[in-house]
Amino acid sequence: NAGVTQTPKFQVLKTGQSMTLQCAQDMNHEYMSWYRQDPGMGLRLIHYSVGAGITDQGEVPNGYNVSRSTTEDFPLRLLSAAPSQTSVYFCASSPFRQYYGYTFGSGTRLTVV
Amino acid sequence: DQQVKQNSPSLSVQEGRISILNCDYTNSMFDYFLWYKKYPAEGPTFLISISSIKDKNEDGRFTVFLNKSAKHLSLHIVPSQPGDSAVYFCGIIQGAQKLVFGQGTRLTINP
Repeated sequence: NAGVTQTPKFQVLKTGQSMTLQCAQDMNHEYMSWYRQDPGMGLRLIHYSVGAGITDQGEVPNGYNVSRSTTEDFPLRLLSAAPSQTSVYFCASSPFRQYYGYTFGSGTRLTVV
Repeated sequence: DQQVKQNSPSLSVQEGRISILNCDYTNSMFDYFLWYKKYPAEGPTFLISISSIKDKNEDGRFTVFLNKSAKHLSLHIVPSQPGDSAVYFCGIIQGAQKLVFGQGTRLTINP
């Protein structure tokens, strides 16, 4: 099993550029989510989804869009990158209502210059 | 508003001793709590959990204690080993399944 796969692993963007961070899981998990990790701020929830076609905002949703057209994929879109979005991004998935079963990807390190 | 707080950014412990990591939360309605461990350049991995109907849960060297009246959660690692050096995140489940974390505590185990 591949688990949760994030691509790319590293990315440098210029301010104002757009891009999509990809997240795919092969475990048939209903729940998927995106976090960003910043020094001193911990892991902050950006957006999450409880199933295909259903998404909701987390703690820090501004500047990010998501969609969930399939169970497997949960891409995160940055419409106009800003230096404040420089961070490490993690995608996670879990079976529904299985609280201990969150599986995280290995992360995407994004730098916005 | 931070609902989960880990007030110690770092902790240094000697190998073989007990490591105690702390976490405070704001809402007494939370009913499931988790600890995750994270090594550099890797995603977090699940360590141990506890539901609000319990006050203690053990798994080998790891024990989580829940004090509901104080809204306080702690993770005890004993004995501490060099491989335990990592960042530890306390997490809570909000609503149906939303997992929210604290700021993390970097644990360093010294030989």
